[in-house]
Amino acid sequence: EAGVTQSPTHLIKTRGQQATLRCSPISGHTSVYWYQQALGLGLQFLLWYDEGEERNRGNFPPRFSGRQFPNYSSELNVNALELEDSALYLCASSKGDSLINIQYFGAGTRLSVL
Amino acid sequence: AQTVTQSQPEMSVQEAETVTLSCTYDTSESDYYLFWYKQPPSRQMILVIRQEAYKQQNATENRFSVNFQKAAKSFSLKISDSQLGDAAMYFCAYRRGGSQGNLIFGKGTKLSVKP
Repeated sequence: EAGVTQSPTHLIKTRGQQATLRCSPISGHTSVYWYQQALGLGLQFLLWYDEGEERNRGNFPPRFSGRQFPNYSSELNVNALELEDSALYLCASSKGDSLINIQYFGAGTRLSVL
Repeated sequence: AQTVTQSQPEMSVQEAETVTLSCTYDTSESDYYLFWYKQPPSRQMILVIRQEAYKQQNATENRFSVNFQKAAKSFSLKISDSQLGDAAMYFCAYRRGGSQGNLIFGKGTKLSVKP
C-alpha cells in the first residue's frame, strides 16, 4: 500500500511568486492535513480538509489556501511568496472513521523562496 | 489554547542505554490524545507511540514506552536499549478528543546515539 506522497520534493521560487504543493493521501483516507516546518519554529498546523471541505485553519494569512479534490488528494497554494515562507511543508492523511485517527505523513516539499 | 512544550532541544545517549525525553502540555480538555513522532534525516514523520488520555495504563511499543502523568500534564518517552537507528528528531504532539483534528506539536528534541 502506497503511503502519503507529496510533490514536488523541492521547489524554488522568488518573492512575490505563487507556489503549488500537492499531496496524495493513503488510499481510503479522507482527511488531509498540511503543516509548515520552518527552521526554529517547529511544526505548525496550516489547514485540514475532510471530504472536500475545509474543517479548520491555523494562524496563517489568507495567502495560504488550498483545496481537496473528489479523489481526496489536496493542493496547498501559497500566493505572494515571502522569504519567511521558506520551510518544509508536510502533508498528513488519516481515516475519518477510526477512533484514534492516526495521521500518516509524507516526506514533505522543501520550499525555498529567494 | 493548547500548548506542548519539549524542554530538551538536544539529548545524547550511548548505544544500548536508556534515555527519557520530556514533554509537558497544557489543556483544559479532559478528552485528548498524545503522540510521539520520530523524524529521521529522511524527513518522513513516523509515529512511535500514542496514548489515549482516558487510559490510565502507560502505552508501550517494543523498546518505546511512555510515562503519562495526567494530573501533572506530563508525557515522557523512554527509549530502552537505544540503537543507532533511533537517532532522529522526536516530536511530542497533542490532539483534542473526537474522531479527528489537527495535531499541536512541541518544538522537538534532537536525539543523538553514540556507538
